[in-house]
Amino acid sequence: ILNVEQSPQSLHVQEGDSTNFTCSFPSSNFYALHWYRWETAKSPEALFVMTLNGDEKKKGRISATLNTKEGYSYLYIKGSQPEDSATYLCAHRGNQFYFGTGTSLTVIP
Amino acid sequence: GAGVSQSPSNKVTEKGKDVELRCDPISGHTALYWYRQSLGQGLEFLIYFQGNSAPDKSGLPSDRFSAERTGGSVSTLTIQRTQQEDSAVYLCASSLKGTGGAGGYTFGSGTRLTVV
Repeated sequence: ILNVEQSPQSLHVQEGDSTNFTCSFPSSNFYALHWYRWETAKSPEALFVMTLNGDEKKKGRISATLNTKEGYSYLYIKGSQPEDSATYLCAHRGNQFYFGTGTSLTVIP
Repeated sequence: GAGVSQSPSNKVTEKGKDVELRCDPISGHTALYWYRQSLGQGLEFLIYFQGNSAPDKSGLPSDRFSAERTGGSVSTLTIQRTQQEDSAVYLCASSLKGTGGAGGYTFGSGTRLTVV
């Protein structure tokens, strides 16, 4: 099993704050990096699929960057809202497909 | 179907009983994964099926856990003699391809297992 790590494990921010968290993964044998948003009692929702070093993806107030050479991806949320509260998962696709343990985000109104 | 379907959505069972969890993947998806998330823990890989190949069972935590996939479609995860530490949300995911391709996985909504 590949070692995909996410940090921080949990995060509490005030509404309106911007925040970011990290996914790190082995830089060898890289194919794609996936970000998912997972709300309690729902299926994880795909946010981004990133494949190229230097990729930047954006979806509304959420964006992500990718550095395959050093093995990390950042997820940014601008102007956090309570509905952003969820667990954010990253997954590395190499020969296999492995998830990090997630960052649990709570946005306080 | 339109999505990955898991049943039951919730299961409460007594310690020592056997349980079966079902996953119905998206039609045509050859790859199927089982994961679980225990309270306060991250997603834990359990088992991976890819087409007709032998499954990767390296994540199964003990020999009380087994899984099968019939006809390359529906999968059943069986937990024998359940223990309290088996309590978790069990997630199933499927994908058109197991490796290669930039497509991600589609997850089911999970089965919340509580062992009392």
